Amino acid sequence: ETGVTQTPRHLVMGMTNKKSLKCEQHLGHNAMYWYKQSAKKPLELMFVYNFKEQTENNSVPSRFSPECPNSSHLFLHLHTLQPEDSALYLCASRHTGFRTDTQYFGPGTRLTVL
Amino acid sequence: QKEVEQDPGPLSVPEGAIVSLNCTYSNSAFQYFMWYRQYSRKGPELLMYTYSSGNKEDGRFTAQVDKSSKYISLFIRDSQPSDSATYLCAMEGAGNMLTFGGGTRLMVKP
Repeated sequence: ETGVTQTPRHLVMGMTNKKSLKCEQHLGHNAMYWYKQSAKKPLELMFVYNFKEQTENNSVPSRFSPECPNSSHLFLHLHTLQPEDSALYLCASRHTGFRTDTQYFGPGTRLTVL
Repeated sequence: QKEVEQDPGPLSVPEGAIVSLNCTYSNSAFQYFMWYRQYSRKGPELLMYTYSSGNKEDGRFTAQVDKSSKYISLFIRDSQPSDSATYLCAMEGAGNMLTFGGGTRLMVKP
Protein backbone atom coordinates (compact mmCIF):
# COMPACT_ATOMS: atom_id res chain seq x y z
CA GLU A 1 0.00 0.00 0.00
CA THR A 2 2.99 2.34 0.06
CA GLY A 3 2.68 3.15 -3.70
CA VAL A 4 -0.62 5.02 -3.42
CA THR A 5 -1.74 6.24 -0.01
CA GLN A 6 -5.07 7.70 1.03
CA THR A 7 -6.14 9.55 4.15
CA PRO A 8 -8.25 9.29 6.12
CA ARG A 9 -9.06 5.60 5.86
CA HIS A 10 -12.46 6.12 7.49
CA LEU A 11 -14.63 9.23 7.65
CA VAL A 12 -18.04 9.86 9.17
CA MET A 13 -19.62 13.20 8.41
CA GLY A 14 -22.95 14.95 8.65
CA MET A 15 -24.71 16.36 5.62
CA THR A 16 -23.71 19.93 6.51
CA ASN A 17 -20.01 19.22 7.08
CA LYS A 18 -17.09 20.03 4.81
CA LYS A 19 -14.26 17.55 4.62
CA SER A 20 -11.45 16.59 2.25
CA LEU A 21 -9.98 13.28 1.13
CA LYS A 22 -6.31 13.13 0.29
CA CYS A 23 -4.40 10.86 -2.07
CA GLU A 24 -0.66 10.71 -2.61
CA GLN A 25 1.24 8.56 -5.08
CA HIS A 26 4.92 7.70 -4.77
CA LEU A 27 5.25 5.96 -8.14
CA GLY A 28 6.25 8.84 -10.39
CA HIS A 29 2.98 8.60 -12.31
CA ASN A 30 1.49 11.51 -14.22
CA ALA A 31 -2.23 10.64 -14.12
CA MET A 32 -4.50 10.33 -11.07
CA TYR A 33 -8.09 9.18 -10.73
CA TRP A 34 -10.97 9.28 -8.25
CA TYR A 35 -13.44 6.38 -8.22
CA LYS A 36 -16.55 5.69 -6.17
CA GLN A 37 -17.30 2.11 -5.15
CA SER A 38 -20.77 1.40 -3.79
CA ALA A 39 -22.06 -1.95 -2.63
CA LYS A 40 -22.96 -4.32 -5.49
CA LYS A 41 -22.12 -1.75 -8.18
CA PRO A 42 -19.14 -1.52 -10.53
CA LEU A 43 -16.44 1.01 -9.87
CA GLU A 44 -17.62 4.46 -11.01
CA LEU A 45 -15.00 6.79 -12.45
CA MET A 46 -15.44 10.31 -11.07
CA PHE A 47 -12.49 12.45 -12.11
CA VAL A 48 -9.25 12.11 -14.08
CA TYR A 49 -6.21 14.36 -13.91
CA ASN A 50 -3.39 14.11 -16.42
CA PHE A 51 -0.29 16.24 -15.73
CA LYS A 52 -2.37 18.21 -13.18
CA GLU A 53 -5.05 19.05 -15.76
CA GLN A 54 -8.56 17.70 -15.29
CA THR A 55 -9.37 15.64 -18.38
CA GLU A 56 -12.52 13.88 -17.24
CA ASN A 57 -15.48 14.82 -15.08
CA ASN A 58 -17.95 11.97 -15.25
CA SER A 59 -21.12 13.98 -14.53
CA VAL A 60 -20.27 14.17 -10.86
CA PRO A 61 -22.44 16.43 -8.65
CA SER A 62 -20.85 19.73 -7.68
CA ARG A 63 -20.84 18.75 -4.00
CA PHE A 64 -17.68 16.81 -4.97
CA SER A 65 -14.81 19.12 -5.89
CA PRO A 66 -11.42 17.72 -6.94
CA GLU A 67 -8.06 19.43 -6.68
CA CYS A 68 -4.72 18.34 -8.10
CA PRO A 69 -1.93 20.72 -7.02
CA ASN A 70 0.81 18.52 -8.53
CA SER A 71 1.25 15.11 -10.15
CA SER A 72 1.74 13.39 -6.79
CA HIS A 73 -1.22 14.74 -4.85
CA LEU A 74 -4.96 14.61 -5.39
CA PHE A 75 -7.74 15.88 -3.16
CA LEU A 76 -11.49 15.42 -3.13
CA HIS A 77 -13.31 18.19 -1.30
CA LEU A 78 -16.72 17.25 0.05
CA HIS A 79 -19.57 19.53 1.10
CA THR A 80 -23.29 19.12 1.78
CA LEU A 81 -23.17 15.43 0.94
CA GLN A 82 -26.17 13.11 0.91
CA PRO A 83 -26.51 9.70 2.63
CA GLU A 84 -26.38 8.02 -0.80
CA ASP A 85 -22.83 9.36 -1.17
CA SER A 86 -21.71 6.86 1.47
CA ALA A 87 -19.24 4.57 -0.30
CA LEU A 88 -15.59 3.59 -0.62
CA TYR A 89 -13.68 6.32 -2.45
CA LEU A 90 -10.66 5.01 -4.28
CA CYS A 91 -7.74 6.90 -5.72
CA ALA A 92 -5.61 5.43 -8.50
CA SER A 93 -2.60 6.53 -10.52
CA ARG A 94 -0.79 5.45 -13.64
CA HIS A 95 1.90 6.50 -16.10
CA THR A 96 0.00 7.25 -19.30
CA GLY A 97 3.15 7.04 -21.41
CA PHE A 98 3.59 3.30 -20.90
CA ARG A 99 1.16 0.97 -22.66
CA THR A 100 2.44 -1.93 -20.57
CA ASP A 101 1.25 -0.29 -17.39
CA THR A 102 -2.15 0.26 -15.89
CA GLN A 103 -3.78 1.86 -12.87
CA TYR A 104 -2.65 1.20 -9.32
CA PHE A 105 -5.11 1.80 -6.51
CA GLY A 106 -4.85 3.14 -2.99
CA PRO A 107 -6.57 1.46 -0.03
CA GLY A 108 -9.58 3.77 -0.21
CA THR A 109 -11.46 6.01 2.20
CA ARG A 110 -14.63 4.50 3.66
CA LEU A 111 -17.07 7.44 3.82
CA THR A 112 -20.29 7.38 5.81
CA VAL A 113 -22.70 10.32 5.50
CA LEU A 114 -25.23 10.59 8.29
CA GLN B 1 -26.73 -3.99 -21.70
CA LYS B 2 -23.67 -3.33 -19.55
CA GLU B 3 -20.36 -2.91 -21.37
CA VAL B 4 -18.73 -5.52 -19.15
CA GLU B 5 -20.68 -8.39 -17.59
CA GLN B 6 -19.38 -10.34 -14.62
CA ASP B 7 -21.27 -12.84 -12.46
CA PRO B 8 -21.34 -11.40 -8.92
CA GLY B 9 -21.29 -14.82 -7.25
CA PRO B 10 -20.58 -15.67 -4.53
CA LEU B 11 -18.56 -18.58 -5.83
CA SER B 12 -17.71 -21.07 -3.09
CA VAL B 13 -15.07 -23.75 -3.67
CA PRO B 14 -13.07 -26.15 -1.49
CA GLU B 15 -9.38 -25.54 -0.89
CA GLY B 16 -7.25 -26.95 -3.71
CA ALA B 17 -9.93 -26.57 -6.38
CA ILE B 18 -9.35 -24.94 -9.75
CA VAL B 19 -11.31 -21.69 -9.95
CA SER B 20 -12.57 -20.16 -13.19
CA LEU B 21 -13.68 -16.53 -13.22
CA ASN B 22 -15.07 -14.93 -16.36
CA CYS B 23 -16.15 -11.68 -17.96
CA THR B 24 -17.85 -10.90 -21.24
CA TYR B 25 -17.79 -7.55 -22.96
CA SER B 26 -19.43 -5.82 -25.87
CA ASN B 27 -16.92 -3.17 -26.97
CA SER B 28 -14.63 -4.58 -29.67
CA ALA B 29 -12.26 -1.62 -29.17
CA PHE B 30 -10.97 -3.06 -25.88
CA GLN B 31 -7.37 -4.20 -26.29
CA TYR B 32 -5.98 -4.34 -22.75
CA PHE B 33 -7.41 -6.65 -20.14
CA MET B 34 -6.78 -6.75 -16.42
CA TRP B 35 -7.75 -8.69 -13.36
CA TYR B 36 -7.73 -7.04 -9.96
CA ARG B 37 -8.16 -8.72 -6.58
CA GLN B 38 -9.90 -6.80 -3.81
CA TYR B 39 -9.93 -7.96 -0.22
CA SER B 40 -12.66 -6.71 2.07
CA ARG B 41 -12.20 -3.03 2.97
CA LYS B 42 -9.07 -2.70 0.81
CA GLY B 43 -8.34 -1.16 -2.59
CA PRO B 44 -8.10 -3.31 -5.74
CA GLU B 45 -4.71 -4.92 -6.32
CA LEU B 46 -3.52 -5.62 -9.87
CA LEU B 47 -3.12 -9.36 -10.49
CA MET B 48 -2.78 -9.82 -14.24
CA TYR B 49 -2.40 -7.52 -17.22
CA THR B 50 -2.70 -8.83 -20.79
CA TYR B 51 -2.76 -7.34 -24.23
CA SER B 52 -4.97 -8.71 -27.02
CA SER B 53 -5.81 -12.41 -27.28
CA GLY B 54 -3.87 -15.26 -25.73
CA ASN B 55 -2.79 -16.65 -22.39
CA LYS B 56 -0.60 -15.31 -19.64
CA GLU B 57 0.56 -17.30 -16.64
CA ASP B 58 1.90 -16.05 -13.31
CA GLY B 59 2.33 -18.68 -10.62
CA ARG B 60 -1.05 -20.19 -9.82
CA PHE B 61 -2.87 -17.63 -11.96
CA THR B 62 -3.60 -17.84 -15.69
CA ALA B 63 -5.38 -15.14 -17.66
CA GLN B 64 -7.00 -15.93 -20.99
CA VAL B 65 -8.37 -13.50 -23.55
CA ASP B 66 -10.53 -14.52 -26.51
CA LYS B 67 -11.24 -11.34 -28.44
CA SER B 68 -13.23 -13.16 -31.12
CA SER B 69 -15.75 -14.22 -28.45
CA LYS B 70 -15.30 -11.08 -26.33
CA TYR B 71 -14.60 -13.29 -23.35
CA ILE B 72 -11.85 -13.22 -20.73
CA SER B 73 -11.07 -15.68 -17.96
CA LEU B 74 -8.91 -15.95 -14.88
CA PHE B 75 -7.97 -19.41 -13.65
CA ILE B 76 -6.64 -20.03 -10.16
CA ARG B 77 -4.97 -23.40 -9.56
CA ASP B 78 -4.66 -25.02 -6.14
CA SER B 79 -6.91 -22.36 -4.62
CA GLN B 80 -6.16 -21.28 -1.06
CA PRO B 81 -8.34 -19.68 1.64
CA SER B 82 -6.18 -16.58 1.20
CA ASP B 83 -7.54 -16.31 -2.36
CA SER B 84 -10.97 -15.46 -0.89
CA ALA B 85 -11.69 -11.98 -2.22
CA THR B 86 -13.63 -10.13 -4.88
CA TYR B 87 -12.10 -10.38 -8.35
CA LEU B 88 -12.66 -7.48 -10.74
CA CYS B 89 -12.08 -7.65 -14.46
CA ALA B 90 -11.21 -4.42 -16.24
CA MET B 91 -10.53 -3.50 -19.83
CA GLU B 92 -9.33 -0.58 -21.83
CA GLY B 93 -9.37 0.67 -25.40
CA ALA B 94 -7.21 3.33 -27.02
CA GLY B 95 -7.70 5.86 -24.22
CA ASN B 96 -6.58 5.71 -20.62
CA MET B 97 -9.96 4.83 -19.13
CA LEU B 98 -10.73 1.48 -17.58
CA THR B 99 -14.16 -0.12 -17.73
CA PHE B 100 -14.77 -2.49 -14.83
CA GLY B 101 -16.99 -5.48 -14.30
CA GLY B 102 -19.03 -5.58 -11.11
CA GLY B 103 -16.74 -8.15 -9.49
CA THR B 104 -17.11 -11.81 -8.51
CA ARG B 105 -16.89 -12.72 -4.85
CA LEU B 106 -14.86 -15.89 -4.32
CA MET B 107 -14.82 -17.94 -1.12
CA VAL B 108 -12.28 -20.76 -0.74
CA LYS B 109 -13.18 -23.00 2.18
CA PRO B 110 -10.51 -24.93 4.11
